[in-house]
Amino acid sequence: QSVLTQPPSVSAAPGQKVTISCSGSSSNIGNNYVSWYQHLPGTAPKLLIYENNKRPSGIPDRFSGSKSGTSATLGITGLQTGDEADYYCGTWDTYLEPVLFGGGTKLTVL
Amino acid sequence: QVHLQQSGPGLVKPSQTLSLTCAISGDSVSTNSAAWNWIRQSPSRGLEWLGRTYYRSKWYNDYAISVKSRITVNPDTSKNQFSLQLNSVTPEDTAVYYCARWDHDSGYFTIWGQGTMVTVSS
Repeated sequence: QSVLTQPPSVSAAPGQKVTISCSGSSSNIGNNYVSWYQHLPGTAPKLLIYENNKRPSGIPDRFSGSKSGTSATLGITGLQTGDEADYYCGTWDTYLEPVLFGGGTKLTVL
Repeated sequence: QVHLQQSGPGLVKPSQTLSLTCAISGDSVSTNSAAWNWIRQSPSRGLEWLGRTYYRSKWYNDYAISVKSRITVNPDTSKNQFSLQLNSVTPEDTAVYYCARWDHDSGYFTIWGQGTMVTVSS
């Protein structure tokens, strides 16, 4: 069981918006940056968000990140069928392991 | 442009050692601004961080508690690469294994290797 808690699955229709939450504690999310990764089957995970809310070059502004207290949120607007993937939050913990991932959330675009 | 190229066998017998290598281009394994990691992914466990090596005036390693007694991650400065050894494997170690670069300043994985599907089976 992951230290970072994500919902196992979310779904929405094409064109709609979805949010994915990632809940932790003061020793991880509460005091450290959060990153988000998209994992499509058969490919390597891809960085979507770093430092809580920054997008790497090439990531469309349909993807956004935010953090409040010990929780973080990934938002995806204008959903496309190509967005169907597993999404993971990541951070590190001051007292536990130096790298943490959430359990992952499977996004279905209906 | 940083690139990570993984190599190693896709089939390992139970109780034996899983060995993978990750060759780095466009960066140095000895850089002070990154750490070099191994991560695996399986349907039952999602992404699981395994361990890392990094250089800050000397070499350091960190390992996940779940595999700490069985894992070694080593740098190879002569070949600019790093390796994973996981001992005494069982079918539960069957997964896709990735190497990845961790940005030291902000704490995120910037670049991933292509992944290696490793099956533990006799």
